[in-house]
Amino acid sequence: GAVVSQHPSWVICKSGTSVKIECRSLDFQATTMFWYRQFPKQSLMLMATSNEGSKATYEQGVEKDKFLINHASLTLSTLTVTSAHPEDSSFYICSARDLSVAGATNTEAFFGQGTRLTVV
Amino acid sequence: GQSLEQPSEVTAVEGAIVQINCTYQTSGFYGLSWYQQHDGGAPTFLSYNALDGLEETGRFSSFLSRSDSYGYLLLQELQMKDSASYFCAVRAPGTGGFKTIFGAGTRLFVKA
Repeated sequence: GAVVSQHPSWVICKSGTSVKIECRSLDFQATTMFWYRQFPKQSLMLMATSNEGSKATYEQGVEKDKFLINHASLTLSTLTVTSAHPEDSSFYICSARDLSVAGATNTEAFFGQGTRLTVV
Repeated sequence: GQSLEQPSEVTAVEGAIVQINCTYQTSGFYGLSWYQQHDGGAPTFLSYNALDGLEETGRFSSFLSRSDSYGYLLLQELQMKDSASYFCAVRAPGTGGFKTIFGAGTRLFVKA
């Protein structure tokens, strides 16, 4: 199956600093990527849909100015957590779709390995 | 809005069969997916049902009834390695084609 790589796998940062997380599709082009966050023993909450060459679509309740998403190429989307606070500590996961597969609207999304962010 | 309900925990013994149910309420529906997630890991795709009926993939089967907004994941011949969280997820209309909304997850404990 398609491979999605996420970097870094874990990061510790100080309160008030910004952290950038990268999501790359390694062997396919992804015009759409999804960003999720997951608190311990809870579900994956969709934060936003990242679209190549255009603005991301954020889910209700997600602060656009705090979670900056850039999808500058067909293989890379980045999530920047700005002015991080301890409550932003979470597991962030991206996923991407491989549009080369027939039936693109039904194509499964492939997940990165996740990034564990700890804000101290 | 969208909501999915599934049991929070299920316990079963090795070799047994377990069924994890999921009911959903969404605005727009393309299909129901199931994912497995081990602690600290990323979700891995198990199955997807767009049409009513049963889909079988090895030891795992998934069922969907769109009229009942209901589906289930059936795990047979349980193994210890099946201990994980299982999420049902609805594929709904979204930017770029669709988005995936996850349920709260069911923690499966497999005992010897």
